[in-house]
Amino acid sequence: QKEVEQNSGPLSVPEGAIASLNCTYSDRGSQSFFWYRQYSGKSPELIMSIYSNGDKEDGRFTAQLNKASQYVSLLIRDSQPSDSATYLCAVIKNNNDMRFGAGTRLTVKP
Amino acid sequence: EAGVAQSPRYKIIEKRQSVAFWCNPISGHATLYWYQQILGQGPKLLIQFQNNGVVDDSQLPKDRFSAERLKGVDSTLKIQPAKLEDSAVYLCASSRTGGTGELFFGEGSRLTVL
Repeated sequence: QKEVEQNSGPLSVPEGAIASLNCTYSDRGSQSFFWYRQYSGKSPELIMSIYSNGDKEDGRFTAQLNKASQYVSLLIRDSQPSDSATYLCAVIKNNNDMRFGAGTRLTVKP
Repeated sequence: EAGVAQSPRYKIIEKRQSVAFWCNPISGHATLYWYQQILGQGPKLLIQFQNNGVVDDSQLPKDRFSAERLKGVDSTLKIQPAKLEDSAVYLCASSRTGGTGELFFGEGSRLTVL
């Protein structure tokens, strides 16, 4: 089992729709969870962090965490073409090192 | 605030040759990471430094890869000898302290091994 697994995609949504990205992790002791966005040919950049169960909203982005199910998700409301990128789920393990999933490529069609 | 600097941006070598990548983290950032990102995959942690000490190098292929962080600032990642499967982007990242999750990445060094 991979440490961090994401729905492989690619995911395509029309402009204005909600994009839903999912991630599961294997280490039940993980405490910190992150979503990074990576444009093609660029480096990852942090867009959301979440540490406790429930929802966390930041503008058009909502991160959801369910530690019992070892599940993290990212919702993007009112998706824009500029949101087209690969979204990486990342988890910090007990020893403070960060592990990434393989990423989900999102395309928002105008 | 200057970002994470990496060099070279691109490198093409023959298999069995050696290569070195350099990283200068954001000033004051104690934690430095080297990740390997193969095309179509997520970044894979190779090594994590806290100041000049190694926190985690469990995924570093130590028979060919080595890394150091002198004086707790700059870092160098070396590959010797290179294999075809080492073709990837090598990302350096830094953070103020380990475990915060907010990593700042450099632009990466793209390695092609022929």
